[in-house]
Amino acid sequence: GAVVSQHPSWVICKSGTSVKIECRSLDFQATTMFWYRQFPKQSLMLMATSNEGSKATYEQGVEKDKFLINHASLTLSTLTVTSAHPEDSSFYICSARLGGRAGGTKNIQYFGAGTRLSVL
Amino acid sequence: DAKTTQPTSMDCAEGRAANLPCNHSTISGNEYVYWYRQIHSQGPQYIIHGLKNNETNEMASLIITEDRKSSTLILPHATLRDTAVYYCIVSDTNAGKSTFGDGTTLTVKP
Repeated sequence: GAVVSQHPSWVICKSGTSVKIECRSLDFQATTMFWYRQFPKQSLMLMATSNEGSKATYEQGVEKDKFLINHASLTLSTLTVTSAHPEDSSFYICSARLGGRAGGTKNIQYFGAGTRLSVL
Repeated sequence: DAKTTQPTSMDCAEGRAANLPCNHSTISGNEYVYWYRQIHSQGPQYIIHGLKNNETNEMASLIITEDRKSSTLILPHATLRDTAVYYCIVSDTNAGKSTFGDGTTLTVKP
């Protein structure tokens, strides 16, 4: 299957600092990428949909000024957690939509390994 | 997207088939069924998808009922490494995004 690389895999930062997470599709072009967050023992919660060359679409309740998303190329999307606070500590996961194919295949998502963020 | 209902947890003996059910009674005609799994502390992994016909790949088989209101994911010979949370998702290809429910925690036991 297709490969999505997410970096870093874990990060510890001080409260008030900003953290950038990268998501790359290594062997396919992804016009659409997604960002999720996951709290312990809970399911994935979609934060935003990132479309190449346009502004991200945020889910209700997600602060766009706090979670900055940039999708500058067909293989790279970044999520920046600005002025991070302890309550932002979570597992952040990106995915890339396969796209470009017929039927249900284009809606397959390939996921990164996730980034565990701890804000002190 | 249509809502899905899955059992919270299931156990399976190693080497036996694991059958994971999913109810999607409000599925519409252009929505596909997708299955993913998430092993602890990792990103989810795509398994299989289908529209109305049964599907099989190297990982699993997907059986969709004729009325499309439910489906079953089959892992033919479960191993300990198949222990994970399995998510059943219904999605329209034009919608793009997918909503993850709580999934089924499958525990494969020796």
